[in-house]
Order: sequence, then structure tokens, then C-alpha cells
Amino acid sequence: GAVVSQHPSRVICKSGTSVKIECRSLDFQATTMFWYRQFPKKSLMLMATSNEGSKATYEQGVEKDKFLINHASLTLSTLTVTSAHPEDSSFYICSALPLAGGPGEETQYFGPGTRLLVL
Amino acid sequence: AQKITQTQPGMFVQEKEAVTLDCTYDTSDPSYGLFWYKQPSSGEMIFLIYQGSYDQQNATEGRYSLNFQKARKSANLVISASQLGDSAMYFCAMREVGGGNKLTFGTGTQLKVEL
Repeated sequence: GAVVSQHPSRVICKSGTSVKIECRSLDFQATTMFWYRQFPKKSLMLMATSNEGSKATYEQGVEKDKFLINHASLTLSTLTVTSAHPEDSSFYICSALPLAGGPGEETQYFGPGTRLLVL
Repeated sequence: AQKITQTQPGMFVQEKEAVTLDCTYDTSDPSYGLFWYKQPSSGEMIFLIYQGSYDQQNATEGRYSLNFQKARKSANLVISASQLGDSAMYFCAMREVGGGNKLTFGTGTQLKVEL
């Protein structure tokens, strides 16, 4: 149980285009989902917290107009990188926090990540 | 100040031996949770073990155990009987109740298991 999927796993796009990444909790409902960015051999950096039905909360220094987050349901959150540039190339990984009373309610479960390369 | 400190950038261990990965934390929140995640080269973050600040006993999950020393603010991960598949990056993380469910991660320890 507690499986989170991410799609796509890899994407290569041209500079200036937008890329959408989906994060789904497959066997549980998630009140909250998180989006992280990870540079090679570095730790995870939290970008934003996404709550179903409300606006995402962005961490300091993260451009909300560049990284659009939509949390349409208790099982789906999307991150759209708008007008992507080479410096946006990175590993993006989402996590989901089960509804209170669900399996492992204290624990964030992570998706497999999406490698974005912007040419 | 770093909230989560992992002082070992890299560790080597021989197969079948036990290894301890260090983690210290800093918080003034009386209620918090500590987590360990494993990240293989493929990139996914695999949840290993959780310890709550009010838990009286150290957490264990199979070959993983968490050596929780609250007064010293340390939460070391012990992996027993290491296997080649344990080679990965290991992250310690903390969730503070006053922090809105956010996780703060350490810088990670790269573990390599050798024959």
C-alpha cells in the first residue's frame, strides 16, 4: 500500500515550452501533496505544499507563476513548469501525506520522480 | 542553523555487517517526527522507518532500527546484515508539528556495501 506515481518519468523539452508533471496517490487519499526539486548529489528542496481545493503554499524563493501547482482531487496534484529554461532542468519529486486515519498518517510517501531536461 | 545534520557524506560497509548512519537534529518543538528514507540511483525515495518524539521505544522495521537518543537529539539509523542492495543514498528528515507537515531533510549519506 501507499503507492505514489508520477508521470512522466523523463521529459526533454525545448526552451520556452511548458511541461506538466502529474503526481497521483494510487491506493490512498492525500490531504496534502508536496513538490520537491533535487539537484545532482544534493538533498531535496521543498518547492511548495499543495492542499486539495486550495492554493498552493510556495517556499521562499520559488516563483509561483513559473511553477504552477493544481491539486484537483484527493489523489492528484500537478506541477506545470511554464516557459521552461535550461536552468529548470532538474529532478522533480512529489510526495503525498495520507488523510488522517489513513495508512501511515505521519509519513510522506514519495513518487518515483521526474527528470526534466530543457534544451 | 541546520535543523538536520548528517555528518557522513559517504560510508562503506562489508556485506553482512551492520552499519550506523548518523543523524542529529535541532528543534524547539516538543512534538516532532523523525524519518529515514533511502534513495537508490533510480531516484525514488523509499520510506524506511519513523520515530515519534513521544515514542518510548526505538523504532524497528526488519533490518532497520532507529537509535533514538532524545536528550542528545540524535536519531541514528542502524542497518543490520547489510546487503548489496542497500547501496544507496540515505536521508534523515524531521517533521515538526508546528511546521505544517513539512519535512526538513539532511544532506544525506551515500552508503556503499562491498563484498
